[in-house]
Amino acid sequence: GAGVSQSPSNKVTEKGKDVELRCDPISGHTALYWYRQSLGQGLEFLIYFQGNSAPDKSGLPSDRFSAERTGGSVSTLTIQRTQQEDSAVYLCASSSTVNTEAFFGQGTRLTVV
Amino acid sequence: SQQGEEDPQALSIQEGENATMNCSYKTSINNLQWYRQNSGRGLVHLILIRSNEREKHSGRLRVTLDTSKKSSSLLITASRAADTASYFCATDAPGRRALTFGSGTRLQVQP
Repeated sequence: GAGVSQSPSNKVTEKGKDVELRCDPISGHTALYWYRQSLGQGLEFLIYFQGNSAPDKSGLPSDRFSAERTGGSVSTLTIQRTQQEDSAVYLCASSSTVNTEAFFGQGTRLTVV
Repeated sequence: SQQGEEDPQALSIQEGENATMNCSYKTSINNLQWYRQNSGRGLVHLILIRSNEREKHSGRLRVTLDTSKKSSSLLITASRAADTASYFCATDAPGRRALTFGSGTRLQVQP
């Protein structure tokens, strides 16, 4: 695709439900990042994938959060037993190599009610 | 914790004026990048400056980097209403595997 694609663009879920957020990076990009942004705040790093290396999960806020990247391409971020504090915009980005120019998707706005 | 901190947090100027935003960071870096965000959604890359560079230009943008002070500035010259957005610096630090973003500067350009 021409850019990074995220789906859904908006998600409203009830507290306690599980949600899956999808990211389709730019073809050929080996690095993929997930960030979270609360209203009016900066970006909080969640997880990073680079090629076939083990992902850097150091930013995941709790064990309710997990992510996988299948076939070095599409990534899914899963949040189990959602809480109200999980409400935020979840942003995915990819880059051709580590920490060069990152291309961002439009994000998924998650609202937990 | 945030590696980069921008100031000011918010800036309001008139169209045609210059806008200067600053970023401070805490550790050594490989490069520093500036991004723009409209309406709280996807970020767009503006410019990347490497640790061995001191100044870089791109159109109306000028970025400086002072590694001794661990700071960078972004200057937008002859601002336009369309420049209204949030601007973030992001650092690539040795040993880290992802960009670390600051808290951003919200720029409002009044027509």
